Amino acid sequence: AQKITQTQPGMFVQEKEAVTLDCTYDTSDQSYGLFWYKQPSSGEMIFLIYQGSYDEQNATEGRYSLNFQKARKSANLVISASQLGDSAMYFCAMREEQTGFQKLVFGTGTRLLVSP
Amino acid sequence: SQTIHQWPATLVQPVGSPLSLECTVEGTSNPNLYWYRQAAGRGLQLLFYSIGIGQISSEVPQNLSASRPQDRQFILSSKKLLLSDSGFYLCAWGAGLSTNEKLFFGSGTQLSVL
Repeated sequence: AQKITQTQPGMFVQEKEAVTLDCTYDTSDQSYGLFWYKQPSSGEMIFLIYQGSYDEQNATEGRYSLNFQKARKSANLVISASQLGDSAMYFCAMREEQTGFQKLVFGTGTRLLVSP
Repeated sequence: SQTIHQWPATLVQPVGSPLSLECTVEGTSNPNLYWYRQAAGRGLQLLFYSIGIGQISSEVPQNLSASRPQDRQFILSSKKLLLSDSGFYLCAWGAGLSTNEKLFFGSGTQLSVL
């Protein structure tokens, strides 16, 4: 079963507007972590934001915030005041609390294009 | 501060040729090391991970192998490349194994097997 689902292959937003990138996940664990990474055209994966399953507050990092809805198993990334430099691929990922090695599992990504 | 180096950035190899991609981490000790592959337009697939020197775990059966000869060095190899080995390879490191440990990635290697 797919652990991380990103249903938006591509998203468009105008500069200075906010945009939400969707992510749903599947796990039976009570303890897990959710991550968002940005991959610009250069290819490097850049960590953006983290949300723990027991965190009561939604995570925020500058213009990035994570809309965490635990009951719905969703962890959407909100980018406020989009900038041209935000154009990139965005990946949602999850790490579960399991015995043994806990690997980071990625979704298929959403390509965001910010227009002037 | 910690840095991760991965090379080469681009590689074009004929089918049947060998492969060696290298990744090194600086500024940390005993990192957990990972090799991911990203097919065109898709997410990242974990290939190998290592929690220590000589300790390699494979996630998927494949034509590739990995080695960790030194604490901060991780090598991805193949004896004979296949067309299906083409893709973008990313090395990553992490400091621990808890759920909140994020990974730090190298700049990647674009491998084209022709």
